[in-house]
Amino acid sequence: GAGVSQSPSNKVTEKGKDVELRCDPISGHTALYWYRQSLGQGLEFLIYFQGNSAPDKSGLPSDRFSAERTGGSVSTLTIQRTQQEDSAVYLCATVDRGDSGNTIYFGEGSWLTVV
Amino acid sequence: AQSVTQPDIHITVSEGASLELRCNYSYGATPYLFWYVQSPGQGLQLLLKYFSGDTLVQGIKGFEAEFKRSQSSFNLRKPSVHWSDAAEYFCAVGGPGGYQKVTFGTGTKLQVIP
Repeated sequence: GAGVSQSPSNKVTEKGKDVELRCDPISGHTALYWYRQSLGQGLEFLIYFQGNSAPDKSGLPSDRFSAERTGGSVSTLTIQRTQQEDSAVYLCATVDRGDSGNTIYFGEGSWLTVV
Repeated sequence: AQSVTQPDIHITVSEGASLELRCNYSYGATPYLFWYVQSPGQGLQLLLKYFSGDTLVQGIKGFEAEFKRSQSSFNLRKPSVHWSDAAEYFCAVGGPGGYQKVTFGTGTKLQVIP
């Protein structure tokens, strides 16, 4: 597609349930990020995939969070046993590593509400 | 570890006035620096970026930023603010070659008053 696509755009889930958030990157972009933006907060780095290298998971807030990227393309962020503090916008971004440098392109985000 | 500090959480300026948003970074090598804008209900859009060369970088919507290595700063400026500039602005730092993660600041929310 033309841009980074995320689904679902909105998700309301009950506390304790698991959720999966999906990201379809821009074709040809080998690097992919997940960020979290809570109400009134900045962008919190979660995880970074670059090609076939081991992902940088240093931003994942707890072991309830995990992410994978299959075939270097689609990525899924999974939150297990959701808590109310997980409510946030989860942003996926991919990177153009062309001559102009690593410009990040963001998706519209998945708005997660845990009730 | 790389980090970005945006010391101003919220700034209010009058329409037509000049604007400067502060950004300080911490990075162990030559940084790649970015400014992104997020308008209400919108996604993040790249305003400008610095990789090398001229330390004064021009971006979209009349914005510019100046890289000052000695001060570890990358402040965003605009000579005359328009009401449509009201948004949240994020500074970010990454590594060279595009193979390092990009870290964002906590953002500065800009309010423009008539």
